[in-house]
Amino acid sequence: DGGITQSPKYLFRKEGQNVTLSCEQNLNHDAMYWYRQDPGQGLRLIYYSQIVNDFQKGDIAEGYSVSREKKESFPLTVTSAQKNPTAFYLCASSWTGELFFGEGSRLTVL
Amino acid sequence: QQPVQSPQAVILREGEDAVINCSSSKALYSVHWYRQKHGEAPVFLMILLKGGEQKGHEKISASFNEKKQQSSLYLTASQLSYSGTYFCGTEYRDDKIIFGKGTRLHILP
Repeated sequence: DGGITQSPKYLFRKEGQNVTLSCEQNLNHDAMYWYRQDPGQGLRLIYYSQIVNDFQKGDIAEGYSVSREKKESFPLTVTSAQKNPTAFYLCASSWTGELFFGEGSRLTVL
Repeated sequence: QQPVQSPQAVILREGEDAVINCSSSKALYSVHWYRQKHGEAPVFLMILLKGGEQKGHEKISASFNEKKQQSSLYLTASQLSYSGTYFCGTEYRDDKIIFGKGTRLHILP
């Protein structure tokens, strides 16, 4: 079935460690997005990419990095520079405007 | 740039109507509406493009006033399944889609 797969679903990390969240889609969509969700804050845009090998910062890009080497993949790295990384992370893809979301990855920093 | 949604929360009885508003301080290219149930990913409801159109189905519809940079989501004769958090997403010329903080809707039987 076509869709977006995020992994891992749950992740724990120690302070000071980098962690990479995977996002893969088989919908043949050009655009992909990463959002962070915190209680009461809605979904905040971290990075987005309209095409392979190109991406733009969203509103809260500091402490995060991404790559878009393949159309199907848009991994997000949460670096040690991100001061408050504990959150729910959602990846989405889009072709005609509608966003298709993955199931999300919940990151907890211990 | 984050659009402002109102109200923040609504409690209704089954069968009652609700309106959720979304406003932006910047000129909009389009407005998206999504519903998210607890512990799940947001699900697309509809998208409205510039032109002031109204879209939707019989019981869930939305309008877009591009002059006022506002959109409203209308839920008619609400059902228990409508419970969840509703988000509007505003799209600008730079292809960014920015979401509001959400409106929590709780339907009582």
